[in-house]
Amino acid sequence: DGGITQSPKYLFRKEGQNVTLSCEQNLNHDAMYWYRQDPGQGLRLIYYSQIVNDFQKGDIAEGYSVSREKKESFPLTVTSAQKNPTAFYLCATSSNRDPRDTGELFFGEGSRLTVL
Amino acid sequence: AQSVTQLDSQVPVFEEAPVELRCNYSSSVSVYLFWYVQYPNQGLQLLLKYLSGSTLVKGINGFEAEFNKSQTSFHLRKPSVHISDTAEYFCAVSSLNTDKLIFGTGTRLQVFP
Repeated sequence: DGGITQSPKYLFRKEGQNVTLSCEQNLNHDAMYWYRQDPGQGLRLIYYSQIVNDFQKGDIAEGYSVSREKKESFPLTVTSAQKNPTAFYLCATSSNRDPRDTGELFFGEGSRLTVL
Repeated sequence: AQSVTQLDSQVPVFEEAPVELRCNYSSSVSVYLFWYVQYPNQGLQLLLKYLSGSTLVKGINGFEAEFNKSQTSFHLRKPSVHISDTAEYFCAVSSLNTDKLIFGTGTRLQVFP
């Protein structure tokens, strides 16, 4: 099936530990995004990548890092520098090859990170 | 810059009643508008989108939305809701000259029996 796979679905981590969330897609989409979702705050953009080996900071990039070595993969690392990492993290993709690109996003199922 | 406002953070409604979830946007250029739905502990799914043409857009699960350029609104409606429509709904805007989708803060629709 074509789609976006995020893993793990649930993750627990101790304070001071880095953790990496996986996002893999087989939609052949060029662009990939990471959002953070907190109750009552909607979706906030962490990082995005329009093409392999390139990525840009979103609105809340501090304490996070990403890489885009392959078109299919866009892992997100939550570092110990992130002060409040407990949240629901969503990965999304979009196709920007279409000249009529509308910005429509396709989402994964999400990963819930809890810091103990 | 573009922005999206969802004024209602929560909308309680009884089953089989009609519902309207409000969305207003601001933009200096032509826009594309979207409504997404999120069920608990899941990602977002596209409900419907307005790209051009008819201002009344029909989506999945019996939802529809109307694009009103003069009022810069894109309100979501359903004539009769079900318990299963309980979810969070997000309005979003983009345009040809932006590289990311801008989301509203969401509206939680709670349907009671």
